[in-house]
Amino acid sequence: GENVEQHPSTLSVQEGDSAVIKCTYSDSASNYFPWYKQELGKGPQLIIDIRSNVGEKKDQRIAVTLNKTAKHFSLHITETQPEDSAVYFCAAGLYSGGGADGLTFGKGTHLIIQP
Amino acid sequence: DGGITQSPKYLFRKEGQNVTLSCEQNLNHDAMYWYRQDPGQGLRLIYYSQIVNDFQKGDIAEGYSVSREKKESFPLTVTSAQKNPTAFYLCASSIRDGPYEQYFGPGTRLTVT
Repeated sequence: GENVEQHPSTLSVQEGDSAVIKCTYSDSASNYFPWYKQELGKGPQLIIDIRSNVGEKKDQRIAVTLNKTAKHFSLHITETQPEDSAVYFCAAGLYSGGGADGLTFGKGTHLIIQP
Repeated sequence: DGGITQSPKYLFRKEGQNVTLSCEQNLNHDAMYWYRQDPGQGLRLIYYSQIVNDFQKGDIAEGYSVSREKKESFPLTVTSAQKNPTAFYLCASSIRDGPYEQYFGPGTRLTVT
């Protein structure tokens, strides 16, 4: 089955600086790669996603890049703000015409924004 | 408001008892999922269902059971056979044929003593 590795487990950055979180996946058939933000005691919320036919996607201060050959994808947050502090999860999944299987998640990165 | 509801938010049970966690969605999504989250860990897939009356095992299905009698509901039963049931349980749903986003509920924290 799919295996997703995520690094680092904890990332501390100064407010206003950029943060980068990296993930690798093992199954070359995976074609969907979402990133979720989870605040303490709550369910994860999707912040950005990318499909395997796209190399990069950006939404305001957040961007995701995908390298299919190397099987890795990264989350980039620029101009970090205190409200960006949370746990971030990457995931990989396979979606086909037959429907949606579940996602395989990384173990998460605790992002801490220092004032 | 459209969304996913999970109840209760906190649940306490004695060891050896079965317990059922509720998940309801009014998003008209075909697919629903159950994940388990342990401290410092990612989410692990327990079961998922793409249509009513059909479901598949995920990576850690042992000790759990589900049913999907209605499109809106996907309850999860944690049986006494589950060796380490204490965890945070998350339900999600998505459109079956894409765009693939999974929407998550607020979760149920189950503690078994």
